Amino acid sequence: GEDVEQSLFLSVREGDSSVINCTYTDSSSTYLYWYKQEPGAGLQLLTYIFSNMDMKQDQRLTVLLNKKDKHLSLRIADTQTGDSAIYFCAERLTSNTGKLIFGQGTTLQVKP
Amino acid sequence: DGGITQSPKYLFRKEGQNVTLSCEQNLNHDAMYWYRQDPGQGLRLIYYSQIVNDFQKGDIAEGYSVSREKKESFPLTVTSAQKNPTAFYLCASILGGSNTEAFFGQGTRLTVV
Repeated sequence: GEDVEQSLFLSVREGDSSVINCTYTDSSSTYLYWYKQEPGAGLQLLTYIFSNMDMKQDQRLTVLLNKKDKHLSLRIADTQTGDSAIYFCAERLTSNTGKLIFGQGTTLQVKP
Repeated sequence: DGGITQSPKYLFRKEGQNVTLSCEQNLNHDAMYWYRQDPGQGLRLIYYSQIVNDFQKGDIAEGYSVSREKKESFPLTVTSAQKNPTAFYLCASILGGSNTEAFFGQGTRLTVV
């Protein structure tokens, strides 16, 4: 089946690293994404990783992919109060071409 | 500027009425998607379309209908058969093929009064 799971809430202190985790079930996924949503707004793409990669780094963001365990993580270094938002993991499938499946979202709270 | 536009931002509907949410993109994207967002449930896929004049049901299509008569437009109708329509609705588009990024509109908040 197609399912993406995330923990619902994470709280960190400003300056610490945040790690948001995601698991998915469909092994036919091609791209895996991380999106950020601020209150009342649409989704903003943060980064993505192709399914044959293990890691991708983009400034403060590091994405790790363990394809064997179907586990994806997003690490935010030096977390700031402006990083407080909901973070969504998503996978794009090849078995049903183009279908884009999202997790429930993880609310990140950054305390000063 | 290219982008994806949803309108209206806020919409109120009386029970028993149909209502149509607009989604327009000028990015020349092939694929378009409609999602529903409820608190604590993330985004659930309602319908999606890979090409003009073709669309597929997502996970929660009951009570909704769509059309894709033009590449740029993918309107969503929330019918009176949808039992709990109050939600935040998001539209997205992707160029297609191996292209990666899905662009999102700013959303429409529908409230049934």
